[in-house]
Amino acid sequence: DAGVIQSPRHEVTEMGQEVTLRCKPISGHDYLFWYRQTMMRGLELLIYFNNNVPIDDSGMPEDRFSAKMPNASFSTLKIQPSEPRDSAVYFCASSLRWSDTEAFFGQGTRLTVV
Amino acid sequence: KNQVEQSPQSLIILEGKNCTLQCNYTVSPFSNLRWYKQDTGRGPVSLTIMTFSENTKSNGRYTATLDADTKQSSLHITASQLSDSASYICVVSAPNNNDMRFGAGTRLTVKP
Repeated sequence: DAGVIQSPRHEVTEMGQEVTLRCKPISGHDYLFWYRQTMMRGLELLIYFNNNVPIDDSGMPEDRFSAKMPNASFSTLKIQPSEPRDSAVYFCASSLRWSDTEAFFGQGTRLTVV
Repeated sequence: KNQVEQSPQSLIILEGKNCTLQCNYTVSPFSNLRWYKQDTGRGPVSLTIMTFSENTKSNGRYTATLDADTKQSSLHITASQLSDSASYICVVSAPNNNDMRFGAGTRLTVKP
């Protein structure tokens, strides 16, 4: 397996535009996580899915953020409209189970909103 | 206040030396504690996962310890290599509510 695949690797967009980040988890993993990382706040869990169902989205900062997982091999994180303070690196990760197994991270998407 | 505190914030050591990174947490109840290594520009990679009943776990030159009574964990790196230069992040999970708390990380630089 190629690991968790995220696209794009880099995204630069203007304030107010819609941004969609994509993630392909490792095949067979039941859990998928979306994280945000900034210098100020470090790593933050935004939302996670179990078997394609959103379980906890309490980390999603605002209604401008939404995430979907239409099937076991694909998830999106959408920001609409984007703001400069959304600039960060967004990571997707997947794991076989929740608590006692390793989570594998993708390479991340570096988002810059100007 | 962050429930996971890591120290030091940054550390510089010479190649071949050992070092120890600290993680103190207040998350309670507690399910497991993970140490991740994150190279610059890449996603975190898991080093160890420990449940509350485990005291120590090794992964090559990395050894993590856990004292659930004092709520402290350490990551010991033996015979450091240049490739150990990275950020090391401590993550503590609570049971049932699936709450994960992240430390701010320790930035380690290994110099030749």
